[in-house]
Amino acid sequence: GAVVSQHPSWVICKSGTSVKIECRSLDFQATTMFWYRQFPKQSLMLMATSNEGSKATYEQGVEKDKFLINHASLTLSTLTVTSAHPEDSSFYICSAVNSGGSSYNEQFFGPGTRLTVL
Amino acid sequence: GENVGLHLPTLSVQEGDNSIINCAYSNSASDYFIWYKQESGKGPQFIIDIRSNMDKRQGQRVTVLLNKTVKHLSLQIAATQPGDSAVYFCAETLNSGYALNFGKGTSLLVTP
Repeated sequence: GAVVSQHPSWVICKSGTSVKIECRSLDFQATTMFWYRQFPKQSLMLMATSNEGSKATYEQGVEKDKFLINHASLTLSTLTVTSAHPEDSSFYICSAVNSGGSSYNEQFFGPGTRLTVL
Repeated sequence: GENVGLHLPTLSVQEGDNSIINCAYSNSASDYFIWYKQESGKGPQFIIDIRSNMDKRQGQRVTVLLNKTVKHLSLQIAATQPGDSAVYFCAETLNSGYALNFGKGTSLLVTP
């Protein structure tokens, strides 16, 4: 089956530092990947759409200069949280759409990355 | 979907009973709907999906019902097991795109 991995699975950092989170599609190519954020006991909120070879599309209220997205290959998208602050502490989840999939809108989720900013 | 705060609705059922989890979706133009299961500290896991041209779809122990008139989805789990304990989210999307809009979620607790 289609597998999406994230690295790291958890990270603790100091306020003001930057953190990079990787999202990889392990056995399929993904032209499109999505980044979601989930606060405790809340739902997933779409942050941005990551398109291979082009600029990401950010949702309203998400700062593109703070959450840098790079989708440089068909199997890897990265999210960099720049100058992280405690309010950025959250569970970040990516998903990838199988470009070669036959199923309509087949989207696979990664296991998530827990970010804690001290 | 609407993110309404810090407390997820909770459904508590006894092992072996049937569970029904409900969801109100927001966009009448949405044409594809998915139910996900999320265990603590993990990413969402696909359960079952349904397109807008259907009103019912069955899987193994699960059934999804779609009522487009009132923009309502439900997930029925037959013979609920302790392993079904998790948070369940519905998600909707438009025909022209892939981005998912998640509902607020329901915490299912299965007691022995």
